[in-house]
Amino acid sequence: ETGVTQSPTHLIKTRGQQVTLRCSSQSGHNTVSWYQQALGQGPQFIFQYYREEENGRGNFPPRFSGLQFPNYSSELNVNALELDDSALYLCASSLGNEQYFGPGTRLTVT
Amino acid sequence: LAKTTQPISMDSYEGQEVNITCSHNNIATNDYITWYQQFPSQGPRFIIQGYKTKVTNEVASLFIPADRKSSTLSLPRVSLSDTAVYYCLVGPQGGYQKVTFGTGTKLQVIP
Repeated sequence: ETGVTQSPTHLIKTRGQQVTLRCSSQSGHNTVSWYQQALGQGPQFIFQYYREEENGRGNFPPRFSGLQFPNYSSELNVNALELDDSALYLCASSLGNEQYFGPGTRLTVT
Repeated sequence: LAKTTQPISMDSYEGQEVNITCSHNNIATNDYITWYQQFPSQGPRFIIQGYKTKVTNEVASLFIPADRKSSTLSLPRVSLSDTAVYYCLVGPQGGYQKVTFGTGTKLQVIP
């Protein structure tokens, strides 16, 4: 157990809808990163937040957005869902060099 | 960012030592090499990180030659519970977390 939790565990949405995924960082970790993992692929970096500011972004469109709160918990928001957004969404928190992943949220878009 | 290449899959018998090699020809001077393990439907787990020569911890060793263009993750005496996907990442300390993972190496341990 890493101490990083994510909610919900599973989610089913319809194309065009919006979704918010949540992540609670390991205690004291001020950096959180979000990844998308399609079936059979490695995780793709979406973006990272450090002390509530976006600190790097991968090759994802603006409809993927995020927030980090003062307690370092975080949200990933995806607007106008597409079928290809179906994936496991992982968040990871870090303080210094080691990074700890949560169990992920499985999003299915129909 | 340096591109990494790993074998897609490997099989090993229980009790054997497993070596997984990762190629990263374009590694930069300030890049570190980090390995993760991932079980199905779980997030990846940090295994080991190194910059050069050899690093060892309680679960694995990481061998990095002088030119740093490749690295080898060594798992001693694997068990069935080591069946997982192993990813090699290359990036700067503090910045490697922004790296997209490759497809990894699927290790199947056979009884």
